Amino acid sequence: AQRVTQPEKLLSVFKGAPVELKCNYSYSGSPELFWYVQYSRQRLQLLLRHISRESIKGFTADLNKGETSFHLKKPFAQEEDSAMYYCALGRETSGSRLTFGEGTQLTVNP
Amino acid sequence: NAGVMQNPRHLVRRRGQEARLRCSPVKGHSHVYWYRQLPEEGLKFMVYLQKENIIDESGMPKERFSAEFPKEGPSILRIQQVVRGDSAAYFCASSPDRGGQYFGPGTRLTVL
Repeated sequence: AQRVTQPEKLLSVFKGAPVELKCNYSYSGSPELFWYVQYSRQRLQLLLRHISRESIKGFTADLNKGETSFHLKKPFAQEEDSAMYYCALGRETSGSRLTFGEGTQLTVNP
Repeated sequence: NAGVMQNPRHLVRRRGQEARLRCSPVKGHSHVYWYRQLPEEGLKFMVYLQKENIIDESGMPKERFSAEFPKEGPSILRIQQVVRGDSAAYFCASSPDRGGQYFGPGTRLTVL
């Protein structure tokens, strides 16, 4: 069974501080991991895919298969990063359903 | 480049009525997914469709819920005889053959 755990419902940091949003998953096959972000009153947006190995808006995430984790990190948080972040798990096949974590509400304080 | 469109954005129904939610995927995307978000919960998968085919409906309640993605026109999620517990945000997403899913703004269903 696929499962995604985001242990923190709420996370609050100050502007300029590093931020890490945790995500752990369980899946027996080849996983594909994503981070989605939802800013206030906006739709869910794709932020990162693990296979792209890219940095978007200063965020990075590395898939650690040994620890079954895909934590989202940013070295210096900005106020505009305040949003709801969802980690999601799919399969490395065409047309795969996503299993979402419960989400972490990040607040970056001035 | 219009993203995924959903309408209506808000829908109010009385218990026992039918709710029809529409989703137009990104042009060129052949995969459509429906998710439900209950209050204070994460998104839960409901159904995955390609044109004229239901590929995976393992997340759909066994009764009252149905979905289609016809050859022409939007995908439709239909809820018959709605109950208060159906009140939620329903999100549609589409994807190309490989890649992440792109989400619509959602339809907020309120059942009175």
